Amino acid sequence: QVQLQQWGAGLLRPSETLSLTCDFYGESFNVYFWSWIRQAPGKGLEWIGDISHRGTTNYNPSLNSRVTISVDASKNQFSLNMTSLTAADTATYFCARVPHGYNNWYFDLWGRGTLVAVSS
Amino acid sequence: DIQMTQSPSTLSASVGDRVTITCRASQDISTWLAWYQQKPGKAPKLLIYKASSLESGVPSRFSGSGSGTEFTLTISSLQPDDPATYYCQYINRYSRAFGQGTKVESK
Repeated sequence: QVQLQQWGAGLLRPSETLSLTCDFYGESFNVYFWSWIRQAPGKGLEWIGDISHRGTTNYNPSLNSRVTISVDASKNQFSLNMTSLTAADTATYFCARVPHGYNNWYFDLWGRGTLVAVSS
Repeated sequence: DIQMTQSPSTLSASVGDRVTITCRASQDISTWLAWYQQKPGKAPKLLIYKASSLESGVPSRFSGSGSGTEFTLTISSLQPDDPATYYCQYINRYSRAFGQGTKVESK
């Protein structure tokens, strides 16, 4: 079954770095872009950024300075690092797939989400 | 930056009702719009892309329309499985802006 499985630490302290990883189970990892999206408790969705198998990235300008998305295509895996965390970064973080094709910058497959809480 | 605004924020409807959700863009975005359904504690699910294309496996009671700055998601006959929050999203490589969501409740 085609799926995304994500994992990483769920409780962090202010100023620490968030690290999450997402594994893709399926075929053709290299034809897609791979994304991270987050959702603060009770709030809407916020796109963080995405990456291709070659490492080409797109980032949300509002988060760009603190975010790094990386990829290991040999493992069908991509990762999110976010630095200098504050309580405002408390959210459920989703990994997702961007489908292949012209201007297909939406998300057709999602991970289950990881709740990350930032608290002292 | 393009802003996406949904209305209403919440609506109540009965099974069998026709439900319409509106998404407005702050600038002309042609048909570059997607719609998602999200249930509590779950990841969003893609329903519609490029304003009116139905994602594979999504029931045909869901439809999308519109272009430019005004878009609509319609559920032709609300089913018990449909109460959820629905989001629109601007399709663009550098700005994946979402609407704030519309919660559809069962009356």
